[in-house]
Amino acid sequence: TQLLEQSPQFLSIQEGENLTVYCNSSSVFSSLQWYRQEPGEGPVLLVTVVTGGEVKKLKRLTFQFGDARKDSSLHITAAQPGDTGLYLCAGEEPQGGSEKLVFGKGTKLTVNP
Amino acid sequence: DTGVSQDPRHKITKRGQNVTFRCDPISEHNRLYWYRQTLGQGPEFLTYFQNEAQLEKSRLLSDRFSAERPKGSFSTLEIQRTEQGDSAMYLCASSLVLAGGDTQYFGPGTRLTVL
Repeated sequence: TQLLEQSPQFLSIQEGENLTVYCNSSSVFSSLQWYRQEPGEGPVLLVTVVTGGEVKKLKRLTFQFGDARKDSSLHITAAQPGDTGLYLCAGEEPQGGSEKLVFGKGTKLTVNP
Repeated sequence: DTGVSQDPRHKITKRGQNVTFRCDPISEHNRLYWYRQTLGQGPEFLTYFQNEAQLEKSRLLSDRFSAERPKGSFSTLEIQRTEQGDSAMYLCASSLVLAGGDTQYFGPGTRLTVL
């Protein structure tokens, strides 16, 4: 079973600060997805990265997929309280046909006003 | 289209009782997935359907668990003789598989508490 490790596990910052969270694995994934989850709700998709070295931007969020497709990072610029939530990365296994997702444990982000 | 819906949102039951959850996927999505998420963990894959066929089941899915998708649209997940360890958030996701992969969209989940 492929594993995804996310770091840090918890992050508490002040509004306006920048931050980066990481998602690492020793295995290759066909694609990697980032989700944000709020308490009591399901994960909401932020982005899917497919190509090694790919960079995608979503307003103040920048996502990067490692060249070897084993790791990814999420950078948030000028964080706002509305960014608070659990950020999950999920990798799609490259074989088997199911496209099932393997999730990390998540990074719980708190942005204080 | 209102996205993936799940019912109920919350379920409290006593140990030993049976429970059933329902998931309605996004219209026209041919794949439906069930995941389980416990506190402090990411979701873990349980099973998935392509149309009405159940194609894969995780070893996490014991004999007490059964899932169906009879007409290739909505799905149900039943847990028989619930145990306290079954307490978790049960998440459903759907996708439309096209060449090159798919993107899974999650429902709001059903929170199960077994007393």
